[in-house]
Order: sequence, then C-alpha cells, then structure tokens
Amino acid sequence: EIVMTQSPATLSASPGERATLSCRASQSVSGNLAWYQHKPGQAPRLLIYATSVWATGIPARFSGSGSGTEFTLTISSLQSEDFAVYYCQQYNSWPRTFGQGTKVVIK
Amino acid sequence: QVQLVESGGGLVKPGGSLRLSCAASGFIFSDYYMSWARQAPGKGLEWVSSISNSDNTIYYADSVKGRFTISRDNAKNSLYLQMNSLSLEDTAVYYCARGGFVPLDSWGQGTLVTVSS
Repeated sequence: EIVMTQSPATLSASPGERATLSCRASQSVSGNLAWYQHKPGQAPRLLIYATSVWATGIPARFSGSGSGTEFTLTISSLQSEDFAVYYCQQYNSWPRTFGQGTKVVIK
Repeated sequence: QVQLVESGGGLVKPGGSLRLSCAASGFIFSDYYMSWARQAPGKGLEWVSSISNSDNTIYYADSVKGRFTISRDNAKNSLYLQMNSLSLEDTAVYYCARGGFVPLDSWGQGTLVTVSS
C-alpha cells in the first residue's frame, strides 16, 4: 500500500496570502495524483488531477505540481471560501490512498 | 448535472448489517467506475471500495475486505454497499463517488452510519 503523507497538518494564513501544501508518497505514483477540497457538511470536491490538471470549474488560483513522490498544491491568493481541509490521493495503484489532510485556517 | 444521492445509513449494533444505496443521475452510469469512500468522526477521507462499469472488477480496502460487498445495477443507475459484521471503527459518513480507476470527480453528500451498542 502506498502511504501518502501531507504537511503541514494545519496551515494558518490570511486572505490574500499564498498557501503551499505538500504531499509525499511512499513510492512513486507517476503523475497519478489528485487533490480534493472538503468543507464540513459538504461533499468533497475534486480540484486537481494528473498532478496539475484543473478539474471542471476550478479557479486558476489553485495549481498543482510535482512528480514521482513529491507533490504540491498552491493557492496563489487565499479567498475566504478556500478555508477548508485539503487531501491528496494517489490513483496509481490499488488500494487507492488519501493523505491525512491539511487544514487551512484563517490567521 | 451529475447527482449522487446516498441513503440507507443509520444506527446499528456491533456485529450488525446495513445496506447503503446511491442513486445516480445526470450522466451515463454504465460508462463509469463507481466508488465508496468514508470519513470517520475527526478523521480524514478513506477509500473503501470501487467497482468497474461492467461490475466484473472490484477492489476493497483491507479494512473492509471480507465484510463489505460493493455492487451496482446499471439498469437502475444505482450503486450499493452491503456492510456486514460492522464494528465501532466503521462509524463514519459514507460517500458515493463517480470514478475510482481515475480520480473521484463527483461525490454525494454522504450518509451517516453509526455503530453503537
């Protein structure tokens, strides 16, 4: 099983600031890495897939990068609606695995 | 638009069973892998199971293998999760999602399963 490790666990930032979230895989997942946003009481939302491809309707302030075992989600300028929990997930092998999440909170 | 609506959650005793359903609409159901994922209280997302569009390929997380059974009825645009031998650790919000072989691109609102004596 591929273990996904996200850092930091919590990121405190102000609206308008840049946020950088990291995700590390225990072995290579090639480019088969997705990012999701999850707010309390809502359905999770796919943000990015194939490391850097925007899902439908996702604003350009979200961007993904990386390869192999190291991946990054960047939010270029935090908006109020961006404060949420973010998960990475590998879909390179079974079982599919998520990271433990990074909670982005308002400073 | 894609809509996924879960049902069947509730309170069940340890060792009991429950069957979750997911009604899909807004897309050609038979064209897609479908999956279940869950979130236990205070925990992160956990992938549970996926089934291919023709239901001849199925995958399970180790934590549910042998206890849970995923199935689908393409004629009814429905996905199911039969959960047996439930334990306290299975308490979670269960989500139906489109995808599995590829990322989960649409999710339902979830249904709460509580295992408690």
